[in-house]
Amino acid sequence: NAGVTQTPKFRVLKTGQSMTLLCAQDMNHEYMYWYRQDPGMGLRLIHYSVGEGTTAKGEVPDGYNVSRLKKQNFLLGLESAAPSQTSVYFCASSTSPHEQFFGPGTRLTVL
Amino acid sequence: GEDVEQSLFLSVREGDSSVINCTYTDSSSTYLYWYKQEPGAGLQLLTYIFSNMDMKQDQRLTVLLNKKDKHLSLRIADTQTGDSAIYFCAVLYRGDKIIFGKGTRLHILP
Repeated sequence: NAGVTQTPKFRVLKTGQSMTLLCAQDMNHEYMYWYRQDPGMGLRLIHYSVGEGTTAKGEVPDGYNVSRLKKQNFLLGLESAAPSQTSVYFCASSTSPHEQFFGPGTRLTVL
Repeated sequence: GEDVEQSLFLSVREGDSSVINCTYTDSSSTYLYWYKQEPGAGLQLLTYIFSNMDMKQDQRLTVLLNKKDKHLSLRIADTQTGDSAIYFCAVLYRGDKIIFGKGTRLHILP
C-alpha cells in the first residue's frame, strides 16, 4: 500500500514549456486534490476532483489544467509554464473532503 | 470566502508546552484540523475536532475550540525536538474544500 505518490519529485522548466504532474493513489479514494505551497502562503487549492471523470476549480486555477480519467490518477498540467508557477505541488486524496492524505510533493522551478 | 489566520513562528523550550493558535471566519465550518509538515515532506493529519466539540485530547495533543470567538488552538505537552515542524490549521469549507492557514513554524530550544 503506497498511499499517495507523485511523479516527478523535482523538475526544472524553462518559461513557456509544458509538463504534466502525475498523482496516483491506491486507497480507492473518490476525492483528489492539487495544492501549491509557496513560502509564507500556506497551501492553496488549485483544482480538485470528487470522482472519476469530474474536476472543479479551487482558489488558484489559472494557468493549470487537470484530468481524472482513472479513479486512481489525477493529472495536473501546465501548458505554458511561467516563473510565477515555481512552487512545491502537493497532491492529496480522501474518501470524503474530510481527512485528506498527502503525497510527498513535487518541487517545480520555472526559469 | 473563508480565511484562516495563524502566527508564523513559535519558539518553545524542550519539555515545555507549545500552544499554537488559529482563528477562522466561517462559523459554519464543521471540521477543523491540525496538520504537521516536517522538512521536505507532505502534510500529515495530526488531529481534528468536530464543530460540536469544545475539546479533544489525544496523548500529548489537546485541541481547544471556541466557536463563539472562532478560535482553535493546539497544545503540545512536553514538547520534544521531534515536534519541530510547521503546523497548519485548516477548516472544512462549504463541505467540499479544506482551507489552510499559512502555517506556524515551531522551533524547539534546547
